[in-house]
Amino acid sequence: ELQLVESGGGLVQPGGSLRLSCAVSGFTFSRYWMDWVRQDPGKGLVWVSRINSDGSSTSYADSVKGRFTISRDNAKNTLYLQMNSLRDEDTAVYYCATSPISDYWGQGTLVTVSS
Amino acid sequence: EIVLTQSPGTLSLSPGERATLSCRASQSVSSSQLAWYQQKPGQAPRLLIYDASTRATGIPDRFSGSGSGTDFSLTISRLEPEDFAVYYCQQYGTSRQTFGQGTKVEIK
Repeated sequence: ELQLVESGGGLVQPGGSLRLSCAVSGFTFSRYWMDWVRQDPGKGLVWVSRINSDGSSTSYADSVKGRFTISRDNAKNTLYLQMNSLRDEDTAVYYCATSPISDYWGQGTLVTVSS
Repeated sequence: EIVLTQSPGTLSLSPGERATLSCRASQSVSSSQLAWYQQKPGQAPRLLIYDASTRATGIPDRFSGSGSGTDFSLTISRLEPEDFAVYYCQQYGTSRQTFGQGTKVEIK
């Protein structure tokens, strides 16, 4: 069964850090580019970051560039998002998804940035 | 960055009616690299259409996509009760993909 399972979300204070993980099973993870996409509660989808299949190329939305780092471990079938210097406006549900055509999505993990 | 503008914001229709959703890009979308997603409350988005007009696996043929350049549309030929949801377009023709703000299709 194909699964993408995010974890690592939670409540963090402004300026803090979190590391999200996305564990993948049921397809050949190492062949896929991957995205992180977020969604503010009750709002639309916002692309955050992308990584290519071997991890050698990454890209970021301007709003997170310099603060977030996407990475992957193909041996562990896991995608990561290291989030530093978190701001109130980073509060959202974070999804991992295949890229660029997102036919596979995780269920999302909620990140709340608040004092 | 390519900005995608979806219209209308909300579409109020009855089951059995036809729905036409629009997505306009601020600049031409390379090779019609545009997708449509459906999202229901509490769920992750589901891919409906990619490459502007290709239905994803398992998507009913009442969903169709068209367009090129800067103007794209998603048509649902006859709305079923399960089709009432929010729909997003997405362009992936650049290294920084973008989404539209969404169109909500609600029951009239």
